[in-house]
Amino acid sequence: RKEVEQDPGPFNVPEGATVAFNCTYSNSASQSFFWYRQDCRKEPKLLMSVYSSGNEDGRFTAQLNRASQYISLLIRDSKLSDSATYLCVVNKANAGGTSYGKLTFGQGTILTVHP
Amino acid sequence: DADVTQTPRNRITKTGKRIMLECSQTKGHDRMYWYRQDPGLGLRLIYYSFDVKDINKGEISDGYSVSRQAQAKFSLSLESAIPNQTALYFCATSDSGRESAGANVLTFGAGSRLTVL
Repeated sequence: RKEVEQDPGPFNVPEGATVAFNCTYSNSASQSFFWYRQDCRKEPKLLMSVYSSGNEDGRFTAQLNRASQYISLLIRDSKLSDSATYLCVVNKANAGGTSYGKLTFGQGTILTVHP
Repeated sequence: DADVTQTPRNRITKTGKRIMLECSQTKGHDRMYWYRQDPGLGLRLIYYSFDVKDINKGEISDGYSVSRQAQAKFSLSLESAIPNQTALYFCATSDSGRESAGANVLTFGAGSRLTVL
């Protein structure tokens, strides 16, 4: 089983649609969770961190379910500029709970928003 | 100027050649990383360094070596390049410290596309 798994898509949605991406992780010791966005042929950039209580940033909402080891990203009112690959990212922690600083990336979910 | 600069941005080389990819950063971060990205496989960690005297292997370090010349510089070497090392390579940095202070948030360079013929 991969440490971080995502549905690779592609997801093709019209402008204005709501789309949700899911991600599962296998390491129950993981402590930090992120969504990164990567445009074609560009470097990944942080979209948002994912907090235990869930968090929202404008049209984007991230949720974490530790019991199911599951992370989600919801995009509302999709824009053409949201077209990108979305990477689910999880960090590892040691037995003492200190972050290793090593992040594991999912393979990414491709989103295309069309007019 | 970019916070994390990678050189070269593109390189085509032949099997058996030695290649060095360089990375420099102006973020003042302690931690630096090298990842490679292949279609369908996502980003995989090659090496990482938490400070100048600390070098650690990642999940796919075979065939690669690194040098942390200074806090701001971290280079990746392929001693004898082979075709399956054709990939997009990213350098990244992060701050150290507590999770709540934003540690583990990576800042990436623009990438170095390497083709080994």
